[in-house]
Amino acid sequence: AQSVTQLDSHVSVSEGTPVLLRCNYSSSYSPSLFWYVQHPNKGLQLLLKYTSAATLVKGINGFEAEFKKSETSFHLTKPSAHMSDAAEYFCVVSDQPSGTYKYIFGTGTRLKVLA
Amino acid sequence: NAGVTQTPKFQVLKTGQSMTLQCAQDMNHEYMSWYRQDPGMGLRLIHYSVGAGITDQGEVPNGYNVSRSTTEDFPLRLLSAAPSQTSVYFCASTWSGELFFGEGSRLTVL
Repeated sequence: AQSVTQLDSHVSVSEGTPVLLRCNYSSSYSPSLFWYVQHPNKGLQLLLKYTSAATLVKGINGFEAEFKKSETSFHLTKPSAHMSDAAEYFCVVSDQPSGTYKYIFGTGTRLKVLA
Repeated sequence: NAGVTQTPKFQVLKTGQSMTLQCAQDMNHEYMSWYRQDPGMGLRLIHYSVGAGITDQGEVPNGYNVSRSTTEDFPLRLLSAAPSQTSVYFCASTWSGELFFGEGSRLTVL
């Protein structure tokens, strides 16, 4: 069975400092992993996705994530936070053994960026 | 390119009333789904559809109905609204493994 755990419900960083949002997953198959971002009162937007190609995945707005199978982790990082990064971030796992898309969402990490 | 469009954006209902949340996409995606978002719980799948005429239940289907008569439209019906259905609802279509979301419909049931 699939599951995903976001280890921090809230993260605060100062503008210009690194961002680390942590995600661990459990999957019975070779998973696809995603990070989505949700700005206030908006829908979710894809930041990046891992689908068994390169383990280091680069996304939009300077974010990247590394797939570590041995640690069952897919942490999201950014070298330097910007005020516009303040949002909620969701880690998502998907198994597609039968060709049907089934996604499991983490409970979200709210990122606060301090001036 | 509109993407996924949801209406209404806001709705207040009384317990027992029924209503339909509309969802339309213009990307010709076969796979569509409805999620609800509640604080601290992430998004949970209500119903999904793999193409016109085919729907199936997700994780939390009770109290909701869906139909898929065309590729473009995937309405979500609340049969008899309950306060537990107060939530933000998101419709999404899927292509090549990626979810494309609407901007959400905030529903309050009194």
